[in-house]
Amino acid sequence: GAGVSQTPSNKVTEKGKYVELRCDPISGHTALYWYRQSLGQGPEFLIYFQGTGAADDSGLPNDRFFAVRPEGSVSTLKIQRTERGDSAVYLCASSLTHSGANVLTFGAGSRLTVL
Amino acid sequence: AQKVTQAQTEISVVEKEDVTLDCVYETRDTTYYLFWYKQPPSGELVFLIRRNSFDEQNEISGRYSWNFQKSTSSFNFTITASQVVDSAVYFCALSGNQAGTALIFGKGTTLSVSS
Repeated sequence: GAGVSQTPSNKVTEKGKYVELRCDPISGHTALYWYRQSLGQGPEFLIYFQGTGAADDSGLPNDRFFAVRPEGSVSTLKIQRTERGDSAVYLCASSLTHSGANVLTFGAGSRLTVL
Repeated sequence: AQKVTQAQTEISVVEKEDVTLDCVYETRDTTYYLFWYKQPPSGELVFLIRRNSFDEQNEISGRYSWNFQKSTSSFNFTITASQVVDSAVYFCALSGNQAGTALIFGKGTTLSVSS
């Protein structure tokens, strides 16, 4: 696609529920990133993929968070047993390859609210 | 460890004033990249500029200019003759050149330009 697409744009759920957030990167981009942005803060790195594999998942806060990218394109961020502290905007970005020099193109984000 | 500090949380100016947004970074890498992103009220992060650590030339793009000084580990951003449309949150970010290095963001500076 022309840009990075994220769905849903807004998700309201109850504490303890399971949530999936989807990211469709720019066509041909092999690197895909997930960030989390809490109110008044900068984006915080969660995980990135090079192709199908998670190259660095050091930013995932705990084992309730998991992400997949089975075919090297679309990625899904999965959050189990959601907590109120998980409320944030989840941003996805992609780049042609993974390199410190590459510019990341971001999607509009998925706003998650856990009641 | 890499770190980006944006000490200014909020700045308010009146249209046509010049404004400088400060960014100080920490890294042990000899090769690294610095970025500025803009996040308007719509929420989508927009790339503004990238500099690599070997290029200390200042850059000007229209009303925007950037001052990179390795001696003080700073990469400051100046908007000349600010406009209401410049109102946004501005993020400075840093990445290294090694595999596995993710883009690290500062906490951002909220710029409000009034007419």
